[in-house]
Amino acid sequence: DTAVSQTPKYLVTQMGNDKSIKCEQNLGHDTMYWYKQDSKKFLKIMFSYNNKELIINETVPNRFSPKSPDKAHLNLHINSLELGDSAVYFCASSHGPSGYTFGSGTRLTVV
Amino acid sequence: AQSVTQLDSQVPVFEEAPVELRCNYSSSVSVYLFWYVQYPNQGLQLLLKYLSGSTLVKGINGFEAEFNKSQTSFHLRKPSVHISDTAEYFCAVSDPNDYKLSFGAGTTVTVRA
Repeated sequence: DTAVSQTPKYLVTQMGNDKSIKCEQNLGHDTMYWYKQDSKKFLKIMFSYNNKELIINETVPNRFSPKSPDKAHLNLHINSLELGDSAVYFCASSHGPSGYTFGSGTRLTVV
Repeated sequence: AQSVTQLDSQVPVFEEAPVELRCNYSSSVSVYLFWYVQYPNQGLQLLLKYLSGSTLVKGINGFEAEFNKSQTSFHLRKPSVHISDTAEYFCAVSDPNDYKLSFGAGTTVTVRA
């Protein structure tokens, strides 16, 4: 069983579309995250949820909206996609700040 | 807030040679430190972490790292690399009172025969 699973693995879409990426973890962790990896491979946190409550919201356009229906799921919805949104998006989970498990990533390409 | 600096963006190395990847951090509080590896077109895998205790930390695949508080460093080493160690390596830091993991810019290791 995959500990942190993301779907889809690849996503190609046109500018202006709305898309969602789903994430599920089966580790029983309380905290989940979304990270963005840009074309230079730099990783930056976008959001974090702890027990379904938003605790970290970095400077991210409000076109990005995370949703956590329960503590095992954290989805990312993106409205009005732009070329600059092309990146690899990683979901992660942790039990406190001492151990993080990452999903395999979703490569988003906006054309 | 904490930050991480990886001092080498690219490290070419011959197979069976040793490698050291340098990482420095800045923080006003005690931190937890991590090294992750990302193989081509794959996700992030934890190599090792320092939470407390012994400053020499052993990880998977023969890697180890040493925490040096006075120099605020957490350098990663492997005595003999393989072709399969070709990957991107990320140093990361988290505040024990925080939930945010902050990454360095990464070091690309290319192992040549």
